Amino acid sequence: EPEVTQTPSHQVTQMGQEVILRCVPISNHLYFYWYRQILGQKVEFLVSFYNNEISEKSEIFDDQFSVERPDGSNFTLKIRSTKLEDSAMYFCATDEGQDYGYTFGSGTRLTVV
Amino acid sequence: QKEVEQDPGPLSVPEGAIVSLNCTYSNSAFQYFMWYRQYSRKGPELLMYTYSSGNKEDGRFTAQVDKSSKYISLFIRDSQPSDSATYLCAMSTLRNAGNMLTFGGGTRLMVKP
Repeated sequence: EPEVTQTPSHQVTQMGQEVILRCVPISNHLYFYWYRQILGQKVEFLVSFYNNEISEKSEIFDDQFSVERPDGSNFTLKIRSTKLEDSAMYFCATDEGQDYGYTFGSGTRLTVV
Repeated sequence: QKEVEQDPGPLSVPEGAIVSLNCTYSNSAFQYFMWYRQYSRKGPELLMYTYSSGNKEDGRFTAQVDKSSKYISLFIRDSQPSDSATYLCAMSTLRNAGNMLTFGGGTRLMVKP
């Protein structure tokens, strides 16, 4: 079964550093998303991306965050200057646009120290 | 009032039991409803989605929606130890792909052999 692949599985970074989280979507999927889950809390929407532009974003997705699809395959989430409260699991999800068949990746655990 | 509420559990049942998982929501604009299963340190996996009031069945799983009461349920028949996971409800206001999902906090289910 096709999978959404996320790398790295775990990233530890110093506060204030930039991080880039990477996702390889399922090949025929057109819509891409980032969600995050702080330990013990709900899965929260960050951003959706279609046709090389952001289609929707949440209040969490402020100027510190950016997304891009640099090479037509990878889909990345960049956090410019990480804060302690950015520590969370970050999930990439994709879908082909037919219905709510989101496929989530296994996530990247980001730890900011 | 939280938008989507779910009893966190844990819910512990013996193998073979019928399990009932529930969510309530406050936003009457939610029209599309999903259930995801999440194993520890993994991404959410879509189990079922529905957009109309009533029941939808898929194998051992039945999703039920009551829009008048703003209440959705997932029933699992003949529960198995492999069903042990956290179950997340999610919902959205529109069918368009690219639209954000709002998740409940999840119910942890343990099925004991």
